[in-house]
Amino acid sequence: NAGVMQNPRHLVRRRGQEARLRCSPMKGHSHVYWYRQLPEEGLKFMVYLQKENIIDESGMPKERFSAEFPKEGPSILRIQQVVRGDSAAYFCASSPDPRGNYGYTFGSGTRLTVV
Amino acid sequence: GQSLEQPSEVTAVEGAIVQINCTYQTSGFYGLSWYQQHDGGAPTFLSYNALDGLEETGRFSSFLSRSDSYGYLLLQELQMKDSASYFCAVNQAGTALIFGKGTTLSVSS
Repeated sequence: NAGVMQNPRHLVRRRGQEARLRCSPMKGHSHVYWYRQLPEEGLKFMVYLQKENIIDESGMPKERFSAEFPKEGPSILRIQQVVRGDSAAYFCASSPDPRGNYGYTFGSGTRLTVV
Repeated sequence: GQSLEQPSEVTAVEGAIVQINCTYQTSGFYGLSWYQQHDGGAPTFLSYNALDGLEETGRFSSFLSRSDSYGYLLLQELQMKDSASYFCAVNQAGTALIFGKGTTLSVSS
């Protein structure tokens, strides 16, 4: 039973380009979360999705950032017109229940570097 | 809004016991979780407390006092491999886990 799969592991983009980060949740998990982490810092919540629905996007910047979790396929976090400040590790997690009582399973993250 | 406070760093020696405290302020509180992260890798789930009291899982235990908005993670018989970052996180109604900034634990021999 594969865990949460994120790809790519590393992504380099020039300023102004688009970054697309993919996340396939664990089998049977319908709740997906995206977090951003800067070095030596905590996990900052961005967005919470269920299939075809955004449940909470209060942590996601209003401009340039979007997320989806379609009926078929992985969840996508999309960052348009990237800037240097977008450089960070982006982690995806999934859970079988909305409260996270049984814990979130995290992917290994995508390290985005904007040059 | 929500806030969680935990120490930024803790150091200990192998075989010792260490306690990492976490205080929180939030609404719609369901419970307190703890996660471990090695060297920026995938965070892993350690424990979840919904009720007051101590939950024990092997060398690790977690405690919650809802009335004090306080919890802690207790690590016993420390090993070098326990050197990592530890995050407390609040489970709240209708949204995702909110994490603290993490505590870096360094275990020396």
